[in-house]
Amino acid sequence: KNEVEQSPQNLTAQEGEFITINCSYSVGISALHWLQQHPGGGIVSLFMLSSGKKKHGRLIATINIQEKHSSLHITASHPRDSAVYICAVRIQGGSEKLVFGKGMKLTVNP
Amino acid sequence: GAGVSQSPSNKVTEKGKDVELRCDPISGHTALYWYRQSLGQGLEFLIYFQGNSAPDKSGLPSDRFSAERTGGSVSTLTIQRTQQEDSAVYLCASSLVYQGRGYTFGSGTRLTVV
Repeated sequence: KNEVEQSPQNLTAQEGEFITINCSYSVGISALHWLQQHPGGGIVSLFMLSSGKKKHGRLIATINIQEKHSSLHITASHPRDSAVYICAVRIQGGSEKLVFGKGMKLTVNP
Repeated sequence: GAGVSQSPSNKVTEKGKDVELRCDPISGHTALYWYRQSLGQGLEFLIYFQGNSAPDKSGLPSDRFSAERTGGSVSTLTIQRTQQEDSAVYLCASSLVYQGRGYTFGSGTRLTVV
């Protein structure tokens, strides 16, 4: 079993829809990252969370440490949001390396 | 520099040859990471540098893989006697670890072993 699980694996949405991407993990963590990978392969760091909630533009990330769960929400989705969204954790007491989920491929149709 | 720079962007090599991949992190970023993404697979950790030392090299898949970092800046990942299963995108990232910042990733080097 992977230490980091993401659901769903694929999602197709219509422009304007509210989208939620989920991430669950099975280990104690010191931080959780949400990353975005576009079709060209470049990876962008969206958020780093250790508690609570963060917002940047149309993106909101939340984390529940007790439940070992995080969500990434996209409001008013747009075709340019189409990408793979990757959840990654830094394990508590471990090194600085990240352990990654397999990613969720989002396609937003116009 | 303004971002993390990796070179070359693409490398095709013959099986058995050695390759060197370079990463130039953001100036002042103390932490540097190498990751690998094989076709259709998720990202996997290879090695992490803090300054010039590597506290965690547990992800290096075999002794054919090595990495070094000099001057707390540029890092080189070397793969000796390349095999077809080494074909992947090799990604470098840097961060200011102790200030709790996120990562900045390079664009990666796509390695194809033929």
